[in-house]
Amino acid sequence: DAGVIQSPRHEVTEMGQEVTLRCKPISGHDYLFWYRQTMMRGLELLIYFNNNVPIDDSGMPEDRFSAKMPNASFSTLKIQPSEPRDSAVYFCASAWSPAPNGIRETQYFGPGTRLLVL
Amino acid sequence: SQQGEEDPQALSIQEGENATMNCSYKTSINNLQWYRQNSGRGLVHLILIRSNEREKHSGRLRVTLDTSKKSSSLLITASRAADTASYFCATDQGAQKLVFGQGTRLTINP
Repeated sequence: DAGVIQSPRHEVTEMGQEVTLRCKPISGHDYLFWYRQTMMRGLELLIYFNNNVPIDDSGMPEDRFSAKMPNASFSTLKIQPSEPRDSAVYFCASAWSPAPNGIRETQYFGPGTRLLVL
Repeated sequence: SQQGEEDPQALSIQEGENATMNCSYKTSINNLQWYRQNSGRGLVHLILIRSNEREKHSGRLRVTLDTSKKSSSLLITASRAADTASYFCATDQGAQKLVFGQGTRLTINP
C-alpha cells in the first residue's frame, strides 16, 4: 500500500486566498483525522471522520476552516480566507477499527502539507 | 490542550547509550501510544501499551505504564544515529481520538 497520500506537500499563498489540502487515506481504513502542527501548539486534532461522516470537529479553529469527505478515498481541508497564523504543517492520518465499536489503535500519518501564508 | 507532557523536551546522547523519555497525562486512558517523527516527515507509530499492561517490548524499545502515577516511559536501548527524531506520546481517552504531547527531541551523536 502507498500509505496516506497528501497533496500538495508545500503551499505558499497570500493572506486572503483560499487554500485546499487533500488527503487519500489507506484503502480499507474507516477513520480519517486532520491535524495541525506548530511549534507553539504542538500537534492538534482538528477534525475526524468515521465512514466519511464528521464525528468531532471541536478542534477546528474557526469558521474559516472546513473539511469534507465525499467518499472513503478522499478528504479535503479548506481554509477560506487564509491568514498568516494558519501557517503550519497539516497532517492527515487514517486508521481502521477491527469491529463495530472496536478500539481503533494505530494511526497512519501522511507526510504532511507545509502551509505558509504570507 | 495537550494531554501528554513529555520530559525532557530535548535529549542529546552518544551513540550506543540508552535514551529514556517520560510522559505524564491527566485523565484515565484506554491505551497510550508512542510515535516517532523524523524531521520533515509524518508521525510513525512505534508501540502501544494498554491500560491494563505495565510493560511492553518491541525490539530495542521498552515501554512502561504506571496508571497510578499517570505516567509512561519509553526506553530506547543501544541508540543509533537513525534514532534521531522527535518522540511523542499519545493518550487514547476514548471517543476514538488521540491526544498528543509536545514531544521529546532526541539527538544521537556519533
